[in-house]
Amino acid sequence: GNSVTQMEGPVTLSEEAFLTINCTYTATGYPSLFWYVQYPGEGLQLLLKATKADDKGSNKGFEATYRKETTSFHLEKGSVQVSDSAVYFCALSAYYGNNRLAFGKGNQVVVIP
Amino acid sequence: DTGVSQDPRHKITKRGQNVTFRCDPISEHNRLYWYRQTLGQGPEFLTYFQNEAQLEKSRLLSDRFSAERPKGSFSTLEIQRTEQGDSAMYLCASSLSGRDTQYFGPGTRLTVL
Repeated sequence: GNSVTQMEGPVTLSEEAFLTINCTYTATGYPSLFWYVQYPGEGLQLLLKATKADDKGSNKGFEATYRKETTSFHLEKGSVQVSDSAVYFCALSAYYGNNRLAFGKGNQVVVIP
Repeated sequence: DTGVSQDPRHKITKRGQNVTFRCDPISEHNRLYWYRQTLGQGPEFLTYFQNEAQLEKSRLLSDRFSAERPKGSFSTLEIQRTEQGDSAMYLCASSLSGRDTQYFGPGTRLTVL
């Protein structure tokens, strides 16, 4: 079945540091890939998405590229801010059927001033 | 566009009681999804509706759980005879059929004592 794997553990970094969160997936067909962000006490917000191989999703300085050859969709940001502290979830949606989302476990990102 | 809303935001109940949650999707969205998120995990799919028809249920959805979407607009999720293991955040999302992006509500946090 479809599944998503995110790197283990929280990520703590200083303001203006470079952020990378790894995400790999297993899926049949050609899924769409997403990054969602969850701020404390809130629901999930769509951060960015990509729908086919080599597409790059970007938003608010975050980027991720759909790599079919490595089945990956790593999230990057060149210079993080304290306001980027949140939990980040990688997810995929099947190409067919009900488009239900399969999520990774999420990564807590803490940015220190 | 008012977004997806959920009510209540928090619910504390005693084991064995019944609870009901409500989700109001984005008005023109015909697909509605329910997910469950436990602490430290990503959301897991529970069930989905297209208009008023419930088209898929996860095996996570035991027979104590029931969901409805009577007029193809709002949806309710009921849990009967709650157990401590039901404590979680219950998330609702909506989308247009044929579109892969789901928009999430703020969630209902259930605590079963």
